Parts: sequence; C-alpha cells; structure tokens
Amino acid sequence: KQEVTQIPAALSVPEGENLVLNCSFTDSAIYNLQWFRQDPGKGLTSLLLIQSSQREQTSGRLNASLDKSSGRSTLYIAASQPGDSATYLCAVGPQETSGSRLTFGEGTQLTVNP
Amino acid sequence: NAGVTQTPKFRILKIGQSMTLQCAQDMNHNYMYWYRQDPGMGLKLIYYSVGAGITDKGEVPNGYNVSRSTTEDFPLRLELAAPSQTSVYFCASSQKDSHPQFFGPGTRLTVL
Repeated sequence: KQEVTQIPAALSVPEGENLVLNCSFTDSAIYNLQWFRQDPGKGLTSLLLIQSSQREQTSGRLNASLDKSSGRSTLYIAASQPGDSATYLCAVGPQETSGSRLTFGEGTQLTVNP
Repeated sequence: NAGVTQTPKFRILKIGQSMTLQCAQDMNHNYMYWYRQDPGMGLKLIYYSVGAGITDKGEVPNGYNVSRSTTEDFPLRLELAAPSQTSVYFCASSQKDSHPQFFGPGTRLTVL
C-alpha cells in the first residue's frame, strides 16, 4: 500500500526566504505526482503536476522535482511572501489506475511572516 | 465557469439519518472524485467515476454510495450516518486521469 509522508509538518519562515518542502512515498511505481495548496476552510488548488517520466516542473516562483527511484519529491518556493502561507499537500497517482486514485500526504503547514 | 460546486457548505446530522452531498462541475470533465479529510490529515479517496454510468471504490468506501447519471453531477449518499463520518468532504474533477484535479470548496459534516 502506498504511503506518502511530508516533512516538516509545520514550517515558519521570514518573508523573502527560499524554502523547500519535502514529500516521500514508499512505492516508486507511480504515474504522476501533484502538489496542491490548501487555504484554511477552502478546497485544494493544484500547483504543479509532474508525470513519472519528468524530473521537474516550474511555475513562477515554484519548482517541483521528482526522483522516482528514491521515492522523493521536493517543492521549492523562491522569495517567499506572506501570501504563500497555506498548507501544501503532495499526492501520488499509482501506475495501475493511470494516476486517478491519488494518495495524499498529511501536508506541511507553511507560515511566512512579514 | 463556476468550476466545481458543492452543496451544502455545512450540515449537522443525527446518528442514523441519511443525506446526499451534491457535487456538480461545468468543465465537461470525464473524471470525478469524492474525498474526505479528517482534522490534520491528508485526503482519502471514497469513490471515483471515469464517466457517466461508471463508478468505482476508493480507499474508504464503506458507509457511502455514489451514482453518476450525467457528466456534470456526482452525488455522494450517506445512508446511516455515524460519528466516524464527521469530516470535511471534497469533490473534485479532472479531464483525464493524468490531468490536474480541480476541487470544490468542501462540505463540513458533523454527525452527533
């Protein structure tokens, strides 16, 4: 059974700092990996999706990398801003369902202080 | 486009009552999903559908039922509510299985 772990559970940084969020998974037979953002009391917003054949994806100040062999992904946020404060979740999609049945980590709660 | 909409936003049920959580999407997506999120936890897949008339179980389907009679709607039914079903329920949709999933705002359900 796939297990997804996110470390740290919570992170507090000053504005302007570059930071890295970590995601690890136990079964490397994945179809894709997604990073989501969740604001308090709201639904999830998809940030980046990496297919299993890709090594990284970038969107603005966000860069996500994927190392399938080691079962790891990182989300890099450059020049953090208070508006980046949210919970960040990673989720992996298994090969046998072509990615539709996502397994989520428990998330990293990020606070960026002005 | 409204995206993915869910009703109601909040609901309190008594043990043994039943209810239907509504979900609709206007993006013509084939895939739709129901998740539950318990406090401080990640999301767990309850059921999903790859198209009208086709549904399949996720990780935690017990106590729930779904139907998919149209592309737009994917209701989730709780027949005999139990306190263990107290959670926040999210509906999501995607164009294909390999595409990003779009989420609704959630329904917060409390069973007393």
